[in-house]
Amino acid sequence: DTAVSQTPKYLVTQMGNDKSIKCEQNLGHDTMYWYKQDSKKFLKIMFSYNNKELIINETVPNRFSPKSPDKAHLNLHINSLELGDSAVYFCASSPRGSGVLEQYFGPGTRLTVT
Amino acid sequence: AQTVTQSQPEMSVQEAETVTLSCTYDTSENNYYLFWYKQPPSRQMILVIRQEAYKQQNATENRFSVNFQKAAKSFSLKISDSQLGDTAMYFCAFMPPNTGNQFYFGTGTSLTVIP
Repeated sequence: DTAVSQTPKYLVTQMGNDKSIKCEQNLGHDTMYWYKQDSKKFLKIMFSYNNKELIINETVPNRFSPKSPDKAHLNLHINSLELGDSAVYFCASSPRGSGVLEQYFGPGTRLTVT
Repeated sequence: AQTVTQSQPEMSVQEAETVTLSCTYDTSENNYYLFWYKQPPSRQMILVIRQEAYKQQNATENRFSVNFQKAAKSFSLKISDSQLGDTAMYFCAFMPPNTGNQFYFGTGTSLTVIP
């Protein structure tokens, strides 16, 4: 069973379009994250949600809007896509309040904006 | 600000040899967590090893071990008996306390194991 899944794995779209990436975790974790990995492989946190509440919101354009319908899902919606949005986006999850604090990552979504 | 530095963008090692990847971090915190993640060409991020700052003993996981020097703020990863499947990007990550489990990643080291 996949612990953290993302759909789609690849997404090619044109500038100006709106797209969504879905993330689901079946680990029972309370906290979920979105990261962006750029062409130089640098990983940067974008958002973090704990039990559907936003707890981390790094400096990200407001074209990016996370949505957490329940604690097992954290979707990322991107409006008016730009060339610079091309990257790999990773979803991750972690438990909270236990001794196990590592984050479990999804397989990533490679977004290409043309 | 929390920063994580991996000063070796690329490294290579002969199969069966040992290699050490370096990581330093900057923090004023006393209790925190450190991790090494591996990202093979498949792109999946895989946890390799973790270390709690309050533990003096260095963490080990099979062929992977760390050299944690708290005073020097250094957290290097040693891979023994390198295997071809170890070829990957390796990321050091720092997690300070009370930040909602926020990770700060280094820029990564690309390791190639040569047959």
